[in-house]
Amino acid sequence: EVQLVESGGGLVQAGGSLKLSCAASGFTFSTSAIHWVRQASGKGLEWVGRIRTIPNNYATTYAASVKGRFTISRDDSKNTAYLLMNSLKTEDTAVYYCARRGRYSGSSAFDYWGRGVLVTVPS
Amino acid sequence: QSLLTQPPSVSGTPGQRVTISCSGSSSNIGSNTVNWYHQLPGTAPKLLIASNNQRPSGVPDRFSGSKSGTSASLAISGLQSEDEADYYCAAWDDSLNGHYVFGSGTKVTVL
Repeated sequence: EVQLVESGGGLVQAGGSLKLSCAASGFTFSTSAIHWVRQASGKGLEWVGRIRTIPNNYATTYAASVKGRFTISRDDSKNTAYLLMNSLKTEDTAVYYCARRGRYSGSSAFDYWGRGVLVTVPS
Repeated sequence: QSLLTQPPSVSGTPGQRVTISCSGSSSNIGSNTVNWYHQLPGTAPKLLIASNNQRPSGVPDRFSGSKSGTSASLAISGLQSEDEADYYCAAWDDSLNGHYVFGSGTKVTVL
């Protein structure tokens, strides 16, 4: 069974840092791109960024709202992806999900999602 | 403001057919395939339609997707109470070195 489990969320002051983890199981982690998506309370989904696989040089892409502050990485030996968040702002408060890019030709469809982890940056 | 525009809400009675529109541009829907997700309150989103019209295993055939030009739509036929959820379209956008965009979201209410 495919599973993605996020961890590392919590309360962090503005300007601080936090590192989220996304532990994967039930599939060959190294062959799947991993995306991070967030959702502020009562709001819609916002894509945060992604990390591709080793054939694509672990390339990363970020949303404009987090570029330069957030860094996505992965450790295929541990089946885990990470989201390092620096210079956190109050507007970064959200539930953060990691998701797997599915195997749909020509499509970045996320076929499995974690349950999410809450990050709170109080004002 | 999302690059993909959806109606805030859609409603219907059980058994009815409802559609959700998703309007984009040449850099997203016009160039890439569209995916649809639904989300029940307090839960993670779930993939409903991939690559414009492909249903993942386990998704009922009551759900169907289509795309034309820079717009897409999701149709739910035989509406059921358990379909009451938030629905999001999404697509890759080729602008700004590429990024993924979600629609603004549509709340489906079963009357």
